[in-house]
Amino acid sequence: DGGITQSPKYLFRKEGQNVTLSCEQNLNHDAMYWYRQDPGQGLRLIYYSQIVNDFQKGDIAEGYSVSREKKESFPLTVTSAQKNPTAFYLCASSIFGQGDQPQHFGDGTRLSIL
Amino acid sequence: GENVEQHPSTLSVQEGDSAVIKCTYSDSASNYFPWYKQELGKGPQLIIDIRSNVGEKKDQRIAVTLNKTAKHFSLHITETQPEDSAVYFCAASKGIGGGADGLTFGKGTHLIIQP
Repeated sequence: DGGITQSPKYLFRKEGQNVTLSCEQNLNHDAMYWYRQDPGQGLRLIYYSQIVNDFQKGDIAEGYSVSREKKESFPLTVTSAQKNPTAFYLCASSIFGQGDQPQHFGDGTRLSIL
Repeated sequence: GENVEQHPSTLSVQEGDSAVIKCTYSDSASNYFPWYKQELGKGPQLIIDIRSNVGEKKDQRIAVTLNKTAKHFSLHITETQPEDSAVYFCAASKGIGGGADGLTFGKGTHLIIQP
């Protein structure tokens, strides 16, 4: 089945540690996105990528980094500079990098601080 | 930037009744408005979307209406069922010409269907 796979489902980070969240899609979509969701809040855009080897900052990019070396993969690194990393992280993709294309989401990674 | 307001934050309805969730947006250039349903521990699932050249769209028990002049759009669910219980999010985007900067989401509505 085609879809978006996020791993791991749960992740714990120690103080001063970088952690990487995986996102893989087999939908052959050009565009991929990372969102952060906090309790009782909507989703906020961290980074997005319209095409391989290109990505743009979203509204809350500070303390995060991404790479897009392959079309199907868009990993997110939560760095030690992100002082409040505890949240639910969602990856999405769309056919093209145009704002009016439906975005399809994975089932998320929940990150907690030890 | 775009700002999306969503109301109510919690909505409780009797099974079989209708539910209406409303959103307003601030950027008149926005022209794509999807609605997502999110169940506990899962990612959001697209349930219906509408573009600005259409005033209403329906899919079985779900419908969305758009008023561009007033900059608001609404989700209507008729004949509600227990499986409709979830958190619903509205979103807005500028689409083509506005850049692929993702969606701007409302803060969500927790819909509770009472048996």
